[in-house]
Amino acid sequence: GQNIDQPTEMTATEGAIVQINCTYQTSGFNGLFWYQQHAGEAPTFLSYNVLDGLEEKGRFSSFLSRSKGYSYLLLKELQMKDSASYLCAVSLVDSNYQLIWGAGTKLIIKP
Amino acid sequence: EAGVTQFPSHSVIEKGQTVTLRCDPISGHDNLYWYRRVMGKEIKFLLHFVKESKQDESGMPNNRFLAERTGGTYSTLKVQPAELEDSGVYFCASSPPGRIYEQYFGPGTRLTVT
Repeated sequence: GQNIDQPTEMTATEGAIVQINCTYQTSGFNGLFWYQQHAGEAPTFLSYNVLDGLEEKGRFSSFLSRSKGYSYLLLKELQMKDSASYLCAVSLVDSNYQLIWGAGTKLIIKP
Repeated sequence: EAGVTQFPSHSVIEKGQTVTLRCDPISGHDNLYWYRRVMGKEIKFLLHFVKESKQDESGMPNNRFLAERTGGTYSTLKVQPAELEDSGVYFCASSPPGRIYEQYFGPGTRLTVT
């Protein structure tokens, strides 16, 4: 079966750095996505990793290790508006248009 | 550019009734996806259209669910008859040709079956 794990909830301080981990056990991995979702809103695409390594995009970076089945999303210089759920999703080789989703990590930013 | 839109934003129906959800993808996006998030669970894939054709409907829970995309533009998802376990948020997403990894999500339709 397909399995994606990420912490349910994390708390961090405004201005700090936080790392949200995601581990996956899937058959035929193709790529890994991170989405941000504010309460009551649509998921918003943040990043897409296919190869091992770190992808940096402004305050957000995403890392992938295919051999370890592991990814993380790194958020720097946290702002209050970063309070949201962060969803990890995997696309598979034999159906690379279908995303398998983690349950999401609720990130709470405190002043 | 307008994003993915969904209608209605919230629907409350009784068990046994029929509901039709609508999704308008971003103009020019051939790929259209339906997802569902049941309370407390992760988002689940339902199906994928390429233009008007169903590419993959392996995620559709049962034959009470019918999705269409006539003309390859907007899509509808009909639930008939609705059951209590169908309650959840139904998301639609679209992506441009050849870039399936860029999925743009609509705001979702919250369906409550009582």
